[in-house]
Amino acid sequence: GAVVSQHPSWVICKSGTSVKIECRSLDFQATTMFWYRQFPKQSLMLMATSNEGSKATYEQGVEKDKFLINHASLTLSTLTVTSAHPEDSSFYICSARPDGSPLHFGNGTRLTVT
Amino acid sequence: QKEVEQDPGPLSVPEGAIVSLNCTYSNSAFQYFMWYRQYSRKGPELLMYTYSSGNKEDGRFTAQVDKSSKYISLFIRDSQPSDSATYLCAMSALAGNQFYFGTGTSLTVIP
Repeated sequence: GAVVSQHPSWVICKSGTSVKIECRSLDFQATTMFWYRQFPKQSLMLMATSNEGSKATYEQGVEKDKFLINHASLTLSTLTVTSAHPEDSSFYICSARPDGSPLHFGNGTRLTVT
Repeated sequence: QKEVEQDPGPLSVPEGAIVSLNCTYSNSAFQYFMWYRQYSRKGPELLMYTYSSGNKEDGRFTAQVDKSSKYISLFIRDSQPSDSATYLCAMSALAGNQFYFGTGTSLTVIP
């Protein structure tokens, strides 16, 4: 149980375009989901906490207008990287937790902005 | 001081060796301890989690928590090449949604 599915697994886009990443909890409902960013050989950096039916909570230094988060249902959160630039190239990972359980992660999305 | 400290390695061992991975932490409110395995270009996979001090075993893996020393360990017995990955420790206070991660230890098991 506790499967988190993330799509797409990789995406290449041109500078200035927007990219949407989906995160779904397949076998549980998640009122809260978490979006992380990971640079090569570094640990996870929490970007924002996605809350179903309300605004996301962004970590300090994360631009909310650049990284748009929508959590429209109990099983789906989306992260849209708007007007992407090469410095946004990274590995983005979502996670969620069933009540009382540890975090479960999606398989990540590798974004390359050319 | 970071909330969670983890030696990044890299750690290289021969197949069959016992591997010890460790993290220390500073926040005595942490009650929930997790170990994740992350293969290259994949999301972290939950290996083990525990609430309490002591040992928890699952197959070749043993998680150990010493709250008095604020020290947790993951032992891998009879290590296999397929265990080659980065191992992340994580912890949180029981009631919260905030998780703190170590930087990860890169492990290579040589056949």
